[in-house]
Amino acid sequence: SYELTQPPSVSVSPGQTASITCSGDKLGDKYTCWYQQKPGQSPVLVIYQDNKRPSGIPERFSGSSSGNTAALTISGTEALDEADYYCQAWGSSTVVFGGGTKLTVL
Amino acid sequence: EVQLVESGGGLVQPGGSLRLSCAATEFTFSSFSMNWVRQAPGKGLEWVSYISSSSNTIYYADSVKGRFTISRDNAKSSLYLQLKRLRDEDTAVYYCARWISSSDGMDVWGQGTRVTVSS
Repeated sequence: SYELTQPPSVSVSPGQTASITCSGDKLGDKYTCWYQQKPGQSPVLVIYQDNKRPSGIPERFSGSSSGNTAALTISGTEALDEADYYCQAWGSSTVVFGGGTKLTVL
Repeated sequence: EVQLVESGGGLVQPGGSLRLSCAATEFTFSSFSMNWVRQAPGKGLEWVSYISSSSNTIYYADSVKGRFTISRDNAKSSLYLQLKRLRDEDTAVYYCARWISSSDGMDVWGQGTRVTVSS
């Protein structure tokens, strides 16, 4: 079965750039989406089609994908960006989520 | 406002059954595929099941195949998940989510309904 691997945690200082990676076999041949989940809340789609932002998502959120790795980048990270982030791709007749990355802004 | 509202969660004994519902409002439910996604306490998101707009295509995660059944009633704008032979490891918050496509992911999520399997 297809698997996506994320680092468990990433730390960033306010105003700096945070990068969260997601690895999977030939992931660059698929589309990757990213979701943000804050404690006690439902997930929110922040990136789709590797690098597109839904309406209402700040421009500081961007995405990229190539080879076996996709990445979510948050530029000028703010305290309110502290959350869990999940990558997601379509496997063979399955939806696959990465294990999630806890982003700490400190 | 486009909204999904889950219901039906609760406490159930191992081996028991439960039926979850998801009511959709303010969008043409019959035009969208839907998913159920769960999250065990303190854990990450786990995809559970997918159903196409016309119910022609259905997929399940291996962990629930043969025990859970997804269905929908487009006339009632509702999505369902029948849970049977429940196990401790099925304890989780269950979310329904609107599926756009394999490239565009899930753009609307419900607030979740909690299922606790315990004796």
